[in-house]
Amino acid sequence: DTGVSQDPRHKITKRGQNVTFRCDPISEHNRLYWYRQTLGQGPEFLTYFQNEAQLEKSRLLSDRFSAERPKGSFSTLEIQRTEQGDSAMYLCASSSRGRYQYFGPGTRLTVT
Amino acid sequence: AQTVTQSQPEMSVQEAETVTLSCTYDTSESDYYLFWYKQPPSRQMILVIRQEAYKQQNATENRFSVNFQKAAKSFSLKISDSQLGDAAMYFCAETQGGSEKLVFGKGTKLTVNP
Repeated sequence: DTGVSQDPRHKITKRGQNVTFRCDPISEHNRLYWYRQTLGQGPEFLTYFQNEAQLEKSRLLSDRFSAERPKGSFSTLEIQRTEQGDSAMYLCASSSRGRYQYFGPGTRLTVT
Repeated sequence: AQTVTQSQPEMSVQEAETVTLSCTYDTSESDYYLFWYKQPPSRQMILVIRQEAYKQQNATENRFSVNFQKAAKSFSLKISDSQLGDAAMYFCAETQGGSEKLVFGKGTKLTVNP
């Protein structure tokens, strides 16, 4: 069990640029989640995969956001045409059925 | 909509003492789970304790225990024999049976004084 990993850990980008984050879940976990956490707030759910199927999406996930999980392993979260309001910590978590979610260290995005 | 409320933005406790963090939730479902997660400064979120709604017995994990009051929709966390390493943000969270997403409260910042 090597834990959930996320890459990069920090990303600074200019407004209007596209960014992509990667999450590698714990290897035997078939469920993967993305959350966004802004300063002073709890994490907010963005989307959830079971294997390669995206089963639930939050209304927070505007059309500038897209997530994929090809082959049911790692996942990517892409933000197109970034805005300053996208600055946040993006957290990934994974789990097995009936187990609690293990979180990764997060990717901190700063949009200038 | 699910809501989880943590009414204490900050709490402090003396080392070796006991502290209780409050959490209330609002769900109409009968099948749900409740969690306390800990987020140390600049470190990743880790699970402290989990409670299944159908279980009447309060969950306990070493120095951490919960007071689950289902009718009142209250789920407080008690930390006994507080240690300096307990200092962190603590988040209460809920997931309902039909959805796997976690709904978090805004958190309580716990300071442990030596």
